[in-house]
Amino acid sequence: GAVVSQHPSWVICKSGTSVKIECRSLDFQATTMFWYRQFPKQSLMLMATSNEGSKATYEQGVEKDKFLINHASLTLSTLTVTSAHPEDSSFYICSARGGAQGETQYFGPGTRLLVL
Amino acid sequence: DAKTTQPNSMESNEEEPVHLPCNHSTISGTDYIHWYRQLPSQGPEYVIHGLTSNVNNRMASLAIAEDRKSSTLILHRATLRDAAVYYCILIISNFGNEKLTFGTGTRLTIIP
Repeated sequence: GAVVSQHPSWVICKSGTSVKIECRSLDFQATTMFWYRQFPKQSLMLMATSNEGSKATYEQGVEKDKFLINHASLTLSTLTVTSAHPEDSSFYICSARGGAQGETQYFGPGTRLLVL
Repeated sequence: DAKTTQPNSMESNEEEPVHLPCNHSTISGTDYIHWYRQLPSQGPEYVIHGLTSNVNNRMASLAIAEDRKSSTLILHRATLRDAAVYYCILIISNFGNEKLTFGTGTRLTIIP
């Protein structure tokens, strides 16, 4: 149980395009989902927290107009990187918590984004 | 958030037990101690968590000091697949608003 998936697992795009990443909780209802970013050889940095049906809460320094987060259902959250630039290239990871899982967060496998 | 301190790296021989320490001297009474690990190019994986008592599950054991200012993650018999970065994180149980703050963790290398 407690499986979280992400799609796509990797994406390459041209500078200036937008990229959407999906995060799904497969076997539980995720009342809260989190989005992280990880640069090479660094630790995970929380970008935003989203609760189903409400607006995401962004961490300081994260541009909410650039990283659009939607959490429209209890099993799906999306992160859209708008007008991506090479400095947005990173490993994006989502996590989810909810229901019987309590406060434990379960992570997706990550999406590697490369902006050319 | 209360901070944790872990060694940057550790090595262990395959098939031997591994003890990964974590100091959290500023822990408060409501902080849970969580351990996650991250294998290369993957998202973090939940390992174990506890509050006051020692905990065991199929992956590992968690030994918590009596004063709760430190804890130790125990892998009873390390395999090559246990090579990962291990994160010790404190979480206030706030049912809906917990945030995980990842430090640098301990990079565990398993020697065949």
